[in-house]
Amino acid sequence: GAVVSQHPSWVICKSGTSVKIECRSLDFQATTMFWYRQFPKQSLMLMATSNEGSKATYEQGVEKDKFLINHASLTLSTLTVTSAHPEDSSFYICSASTLSGALYEQHFGPGTRLTVT
Amino acid sequence: AQSVSQHNHHVILSEAASLELGCNYSYGGTVNLFWYVQYPGQHLQLLLKYFSGDPLVKGIKGFEAEFIKSKFSFNLRKPSVQWSDTAEYFCAVIGEKLVFGAGTILRVKS
Repeated sequence: GAVVSQHPSWVICKSGTSVKIECRSLDFQATTMFWYRQFPKQSLMLMATSNEGSKATYEQGVEKDKFLINHASLTLSTLTVTSAHPEDSSFYICSASTLSGALYEQHFGPGTRLTVT
Repeated sequence: AQSVSQHNHHVILSEAASLELGCNYSYGGTVNLFWYVQYPGQHLQLLLKYFSGDPLVKGIKGFEAEFIKSKFSFNLRKPSVQWSDTAEYFCAVIGEKLVFGAGTILRVKS
C-alpha cells in the first residue's frame, strides 16, 4: 500500500522550454504532497509543500514563478519547470502524505531525472 | 536552522561484516528521526523511525538505530550485512520540516 508514482521517470528538454512532472498517489488520497530536488552527492532539498486545493508553500530560495506546483486533486500534484535552463537539471522527487501537515507519514515517488540541454 | 550530517559518503563492506553509519543533526527543539533506504532503481523506503520512548529503535531487515540526545546522534547499525543491503542510506530529521542528510552509499561485496 501507499504507492506513489511519478511521470516521466526521465526527461530531456531544450533550454527555454517548460516541462511538467506528475506525481500520483495510486492507492490512497494525499492531502499533502511535497516536492524535493536532489543534486548529485547531496541530500534531498525540500522545494515546496502543497495541500490539495490550496496554493503551494515554497521554501526560501525557491522561485515560485519558475517551479509551478498544482495540487488539484487528492491523488495528483504536478510540478512545472518553466523556461528551463541547464542549471535546473536535477533529480526531482515527490512524496505524499495522507494527513494534512503530517510530515512524518511521507511516501516517496521514484523520482524524475530532468536534463536541460 | 536544521541540518543533518552523515559521516561517510561511501562505505564498502564484505558480507557478514558489521555496519554502523553515523548521523548527527543540529536543531534546538524536539525532533523525530528517520533512516530511509533507496535500493538501486527503487523508491525511498522507510527503514526505521524514532519519535519517543526507547532510544534503541529496531527497524526492518535487521537494522537498528540508537538515539543519543546528548550527542545529537542517530547512528544506524546492523550486526551482519548481506549483499542485498547494497543501497543508499539517508538519515532524516523532522524539526520544523523533514531535512535529509547527504546519504551514504553502501556497497556490500559478496
